[in-house]
Amino acid sequence: SQTIHQWPATLVQPVGSPLSLECTVEGTSNPNLYWYRQAAGRGLQLLFYSVGIGQISSEVPQNLSASRPQDRQFILSSKKLLLSDSGFYLCAWSQYWTSGSLGGELFFGEGSRLTVL
Amino acid sequence: AQTVTQSQPEMSVQEAETVTLSCTYDTSESDYYLFWYKQPPSRQMILVIRQEAYKQQNATENRFSVNFQKAAKSFSLKISDSQLGDAAMYFCALLYGGSQGNLIFGKGTKLSVKP
Repeated sequence: SQTIHQWPATLVQPVGSPLSLECTVEGTSNPNLYWYRQAAGRGLQLLFYSVGIGQISSEVPQNLSASRPQDRQFILSSKKLLLSDSGFYLCAWSQYWTSGSLGGELFFGEGSRLTVL
Repeated sequence: AQTVTQSQPEMSVQEAETVTLSCTYDTSESDYYLFWYKQPPSRQMILVIRQEAYKQQNATENRFSVNFQKAAKSFSLKISDSQLGDAAMYFCALLYGGSQGNLIFGKGTKLSVKP
């Protein structure tokens, strides 16, 4: 069966420090990978998605970046954190989706809570 | 642009009763999926139910069912025989975009279940 893990679960970082959140998927190959952010009391905002190694699409301009060095590894980074980067970050994966298939839904990791002080 | 709107920030239901959560969406895509996700206090998102846009029959999953009105772009979730464990944030989501599968969410409805 497929599993997804992300870490760390909780992170407290000072403003201006770097960030690295890691996500790995097991039990599948060539998944679509996603990073979402959930600010307090709000819905989920798509930050990045990737359909293959080295292929990253960004949905919003921001202080963050993403990389996919391996097929099932997705990393969210920042060189200098801002206070506004605080939030709950969720990694997710899905199968390659085509119209009429039974797949398509996203499966989420446990989430990483980032607090920037 | 694709949008998902949940107009009820909070809802409350008595245990064993039925509650309906509302969701409307807008998309120019002809092929898309709709989902309801549940986010309990543990914060991990869990898929509750999904609906393929090309299917007219409403999806059902045990105590959870949807009322999919494609022309009205409405996708409500009905929870029957509510249980204490149903208390959570519920998010409506729209999946579109072919192979890349972009999923966008509404802002969520917080459901409380009273014993």
